[in-house]
Amino acid sequence: QKEVEQDPGPLSVPEGAIVSLNCTYSNSAFQYFMWYRQYSRKGPELLMYTYSSGNKEDGRFTAQVDKSSKYISLFIRDSQPSDSATYLCAMSANNQGGKLIFGQGTELSVKP
Amino acid sequence: DTGVSQNPRHKITKRGQNVTFRCDPISEHNRLYWYRQTLGQGPEFLTYFQNEAQLEKSRLLSDRFSAERPKGSFSTLEIQRTEQGDSAMYLCASSLENRYNEQFFGPGTRLTVL
Repeated sequence: QKEVEQDPGPLSVPEGAIVSLNCTYSNSAFQYFMWYRQYSRKGPELLMYTYSSGNKEDGRFTAQVDKSSKYISLFIRDSQPSDSATYLCAMSANNQGGKLIFGQGTELSVKP
Repeated sequence: DTGVSQNPRHKITKRGQNVTFRCDPISEHNRLYWYRQTLGQGPEFLTYFQNEAQLEKSRLLSDRFSAERPKGSFSTLEIQRTEQGDSAMYLCASSLENRYNEQFFGPGTRLTVL
């Protein structure tokens, strides 16, 4: 079993929809939770960074962490075709020096 | 542009050849990371440096792989005697020491081993 599980999709939504992306994890030591966006054949781009449980909002993006359920989410409001990309969750623990453990990534397509 | 840069962007090589990739981190970042990403998967950690010191290596990093960061600035990743299974995207990231979970990635080097 992988430490971080993420549904690979693909997920297709119409423009303007609210998108929900999720990851589950098994390592209770994870304290830092990140979401990256990766366009085809490009490097990952850091979108959101959250420490421990709670919500964080940045423009159209909201990240949620529920440590009791070992479940994290990224919501995208008013989705745009330019949001079409692969979304990767990543996590790390306090004592791991920044070694990020990534999910498989969810491929998102936003149709005009 | 002051982001992370990687060279070359693409490399095609024959099995058994040696290859070397270079990463130039964001200038004020003293931590540098290497990851490998295969098609349809998330990046997997390989190794990381704080300044010139290599602090951790993954078990994925076999004896054929070596990474250096001699002056604490740019880093190189060398793969000796390449195998077809080494075909992947090799990603470099950098961060500040006290914000090591906020890692900024370069565009990657795509390696194809024939």
